Amino acid sequence: GENVEQHPSTLSVQEGDSAVIKCTYSDSASNYFPWYKQELGKRPQLIIDIRSNVGEKKDQRIAVTLNKTAKHFSLHITETQPEDSAVYFCAASANNNDMRFGAGTRLTVKP
Amino acid sequence: EAQVTQNPRYLITVTGKKLTVTCSQNMNHEYMSWYRQDPGLGLRQIYYSMNVEVTDKGDVPEGYKVSRKEKRNFPLILESPSPNQTSLYFCASSSLGTKETQYFGPGTRLLVL
Repeated sequence: GENVEQHPSTLSVQEGDSAVIKCTYSDSASNYFPWYKQELGKRPQLIIDIRSNVGEKKDQRIAVTLNKTAKHFSLHITETQPEDSAVYFCAASANNNDMRFGAGTRLTVKP
Repeated sequence: EAQVTQNPRYLITVTGKKLTVTCSQNMNHEYMSWYRQDPGLGLRQIYYSMNVEVTDKGDVPEGYKVSRKEKRNFPLILESPSPNQTSLYFCASSSLGTKETQYFGPGTRLLVL
């Protein structure tokens, strides 16, 4: 089955700097890669996703890149703000039946 | 308002006392799923359902049961809870058409003593 690894587990950046979170997956059949943001005490919410037919997707300050050959994908947040502080989860899905999540990255943006 | 609801939100119980956590969605989604979230382990899938009367095991199904008698409801049943089932539980749903975009419920925090 699919195995998703996420790094780093914690990340602290200064406001305005960029943050990068990386994930690797094991199942070459995976074709959908969402990223979720979970604020303290809240439910995970989808912030961006990418499918295997594209290599990069952007949405304002957030971008995701996918390297299918190397089986890794990354989340990039530019011009970070304190409200970006949260736990971020990557996930991978191959057969639409299940979704495997990474262990999460706790991002802290210092003002 | 489109939403996924769970009840109860918080529950303290004792070992062996059967409990049910309800999940309901009003978006006519075919796909529903249960996850548990534990520190350092992310979200792990317990069970999922592709449609009414169709359920399948996820990564960590032991100690749990589910049922899908109606499209909108997907209850999680712990027949004999144990302390290692203390966790934060999330229900999620999605349309099969865009099945990967899952909408999560607010979570149920369970403590088993």
